[in-house]
Amino acid sequence: QEQLQQWGAGLLKPSGTLSLTCTFYGGSFSTYYWSWIRQPPGKGLEWIGEINHSGGTNYNPSLKSRVTISIDTSKNQFSLKLSSVTAADTAVYYCARISQGTFDYWGQGTLVTVSS
Amino acid sequence: QSVLTQPPSVSGAPGQRVTISCTGSSSNIGAGYPVHWYQQLPGTAPKLLIYANSNRPSGVPDRFSGSKSGTSASLAITGLQAEDEADYYCLSYDSSLSGWVFGGGTKLTVL
Repeated sequence: QEQLQQWGAGLLKPSGTLSLTCTFYGGSFSTYYWSWIRQPPGKGLEWIGEINHSGGTNYNPSLKSRVTISIDTSKNQFSLKLSSVTAADTAVYYCARISQGTFDYWGQGTLVTVSS
Repeated sequence: QSVLTQPPSVSGAPGQRVTISCTGSSSNIGAGYPVHWYQQLPGTAPKLLIYANSNRPSGVPDRFSGSKSGTSASLAITGLQAEDEADYYCLSYDSSLSGWVFGGGTKLTVL
């Protein structure tokens, strides 16, 4: 069964770097694009960026200067790094697969809290 | 301020029909990009409900339907059930931003 499992540090200090990884199980990895999305507590969803199997990326302009998404096709994994975090980056972060022009499979979500 | 505009909340009694609107602009919905809808139950990841304006993934009841016209789209839920109480989000692509944009979300309350 196709599924995404994600992990990473849940508590960061301001100015630190957020780092999350997502692994895809149960299907073809190289066929698809992969994405990260976040949701601040009690708020809506925000697209962070996406990557294809060749490593080509596209980022949300509002986060572009601080975001890096990378991919390791040998492990069916892709990762997110967000630098210089502040309290405004506190959110649940989701990884997702892009298929049929939308996000069809989502990871379970990781709450990342930025606090001193 | 989201690029796609949704009403913050809607409500309906069991068995009734409700609709949730998603209004965009000429750089997203109006440019022909498809609209997708998600249901998010408390504490869970969003679940794909409708893709490409009006298509239901396998397993989604036909009580849920989507439509699109001009710069707007709508999600309709008929035969409202208590389990439908959730947050609903629309999603499209925006050519000005060169990226994906979500609506602000709509909280559905089943009275």
